[in-house]
Amino acid sequence: DGGITQSPKYLFRKEGQNVTLSCEQNLNHDAMYWYRQDPGQGLRLIYYSQIVNDFQKGDIAEGYSVSREKKESFPLTVTSAQKNPTAFYLCASSSFGKLFFGSGTQLSVL
Amino acid sequence: DAKTTQPTSMDCAEGRAANLPCNHSTISGNEYVYWYRQIHSQGPQYIIHGLKNNETNEMASLIITEDRKSSTLILPHATLRDTAVYYCIVRVAYSGAGSYQLTFGKGTKLSVIP
Repeated sequence: DGGITQSPKYLFRKEGQNVTLSCEQNLNHDAMYWYRQDPGQGLRLIYYSQIVNDFQKGDIAEGYSVSREKKESFPLTVTSAQKNPTAFYLCASSSFGKLFFGSGTQLSVL
Repeated sequence: DAKTTQPTSMDCAEGRAANLPCNHSTISGNEYVYWYRQIHSQGPQYIIHGLKNNETNEMASLIITEDRKSSTLILPHATLRDTAVYYCIVRVAYSGAGSYQLTFGKGTKLSVIP
């Protein structure tokens, strides 16, 4: 089945640690996105990528980094500089105006 | 992007139609209205979108007023599985990935009651 696969579903981070969230898509979409969602809130854009080897900062990029070495993959690293990383992270791709989302990763701080 | 206003929450009896309103009074002529929904702890799911004509698909109907300042998403026969947060978004479509910085507000929490 085509879609967006995020892993892991749950992730725990220790103080000062970098962690990487995986996002893979087999929809052959050029554009991919990372959003952050806090409890009871909407989604906020962290980074997006229109094509391989290119990505742009969204509204809340500080403390995060991404790479886009392959069309299918858009991993997100939450660095130690992100002081409040606990949130639900959503990856998406888009085609003709529609966003397709993965099932999300819940990141918590130990 | 135009800002949208939605009620915080709504209830609907199972089997009845759920009508979810959205105000977007500052919408521009080239902006589409999109609806997504998010079931708890899952990623949002695309439902429907439209420009000015009413639209219908297998999930829902979208009614856009003639002045395009508001719209209503209609779930014709709500089921318990329709309990979710529904987001109304307005955005220019098809203009590059950078344009898909869709702004998701808090949406409307729809509770379908047995």
